[in-house]
Amino acid sequence: QQPVQSPQAVILREGEDAVINCSSSKALYSVHWYRQKHGEAPVFLMILLKGGEQKGHEKISASFNEKKQQSSLYLTASQLSYSGTYFCGGFPNDYKLSFGAGTTVTVRA
Amino acid sequence: NAGVTQTPKFRVLKTGQSMTLLCAQDMNHEYMYWYRQDPGMGLRLIHYSVGEGTTAKGEVPDGYNVSRLKKQNFLLGLESAAPSQTSVYFCASSLRGAVPEQYFGPGTRLTVT
Repeated sequence: QQPVQSPQAVILREGEDAVINCSSSKALYSVHWYRQKHGEAPVFLMILLKGGEQKGHEKISASFNEKKQQSSLYLTASQLSYSGTYFCGGFPNDYKLSFGAGTTVTVRA
Repeated sequence: NAGVTQTPKFRVLKTGQSMTLLCAQDMNHEYMYWYRQDPGMGLRLIHYSVGEGTTAKGEVPDGYNVSRLKKQNFLLGLESAAPSQTSVYFCASSLRGAVPEQYFGPGTRLTVT
């Protein structure tokens, strides 16, 4: 099954914060986060491994709660460039990445 | 490095026609993937390969076939296209499986009428 992302969409003003959640019914070896701009390919943001590691990218950070099989992506002091659709991907094994349906983020001036 | 490239970028097919999408990567990656992306559905895995000469089914393999005769190329075939296969197709590659990131190609927009 695909990971479940929430919310489906969020609208922010520049400088505001947001959290995107991703939960899996399967035990995950790792969680990936990607961002896709309209009409473009997904671009890698970060990977989190089981063990609860928290990684960062610019003012975007993420965490992974292994016990709950949940990951959260934190957008801090959002910028216009953060607009796009964010996908989480869960690796239940070493081969196949299963993506969530995505969260569309719109940042307005 | 070109990264991951896909050919063609756009294609229109009639129902029942066949075609092959080509994915090429120059990063010496072992793993390669084909996804389709439909509105509101995210990315769904069609087939994948963990090395030259290997292929395996993903979440939505029906109606598609793949081949990985060379390490750098991963081909996706539609034998008899159907309107339900109208989608944007992305190829991706990674050095290994769960840990390194996947690099995506620019996508192929396919319309089946």
